[in-house]
Amino acid sequence: GQQVMQIPQYQHVQEGEDFTTYCNSSTTLSNIQWYKQRPGGHPVFLIQLVKSGEVKKQKRLTFQFGEAKKNSSLHITATQTTDVGTYFCAGRRQAGTALIFGKGTTLSVSS
Amino acid sequence: EAGVAQSPRYKIIEKRQSVAFWCNPISGHATLYWYQQILGQGPKLLIQFQNNGVVDDSQLPKDRFSAERLKGVDSTLKIQPAKLEDSAVYLCASSYRGLRNTEAFFGQGTRLTVV
Repeated sequence: GQQVMQIPQYQHVQEGEDFTTYCNSSTTLSNIQWYKQRPGGHPVFLIQLVKSGEVKKQKRLTFQFGEAKKNSSLHITATQTTDVGTYFCAGRRQAGTALIFGKGTTLSVSS
Repeated sequence: EAGVAQSPRYKIIEKRQSVAFWCNPISGHATLYWYQQILGQGPKLLIQFQNNGVVDDSQLPKDRFSAERLKGVDSTLKIQPAKLEDSAVYLCASSYRGLRNTEAFFGQGTRLTVV
């Protein structure tokens, strides 16, 4: 079945350092979404990427969708303590089909 | 706009007992998901509904788990009988089935502890 893998599983950075998490799918995806889950909270939608090679930015966050639509990345520039949490990618093979989550990357930031 | 409502928030049961969770999605959202999130892991899809029809239940342990969405609105997830490994947070999510915007909105979840 469809699998979505994320690396690294954990990442600790000093405040101000950059952070990147990578997502790889075993199958071509129709679209990919990114979610953030704060400790004790529930996943909250960040962004959706649909087009091959698409790049989107949200302030310090940059999201990329690979040319083959099988991988994606999230890059945070100059991390802040408010960035702490677990970042999940989630993908669909086709629009309307099951939304499958990766295992997530947990980011911790020390000031 | 009201969010996804789930109840109860917490539940502790003994193994082999039964338990049911309830979810009311955002009004107008045709797609409803149930996910199981074990501590430290990503959400695992149990079942996805489109209105009152099942889109995907391939990872639902059907010998003990069941879910329904009879009127295409709210949904219940049942476990009977529960096992220790069912201890997890059960997340319900909904999304509006549109061609462009399919983000999933999650409820607060039900934390189940099986002892």
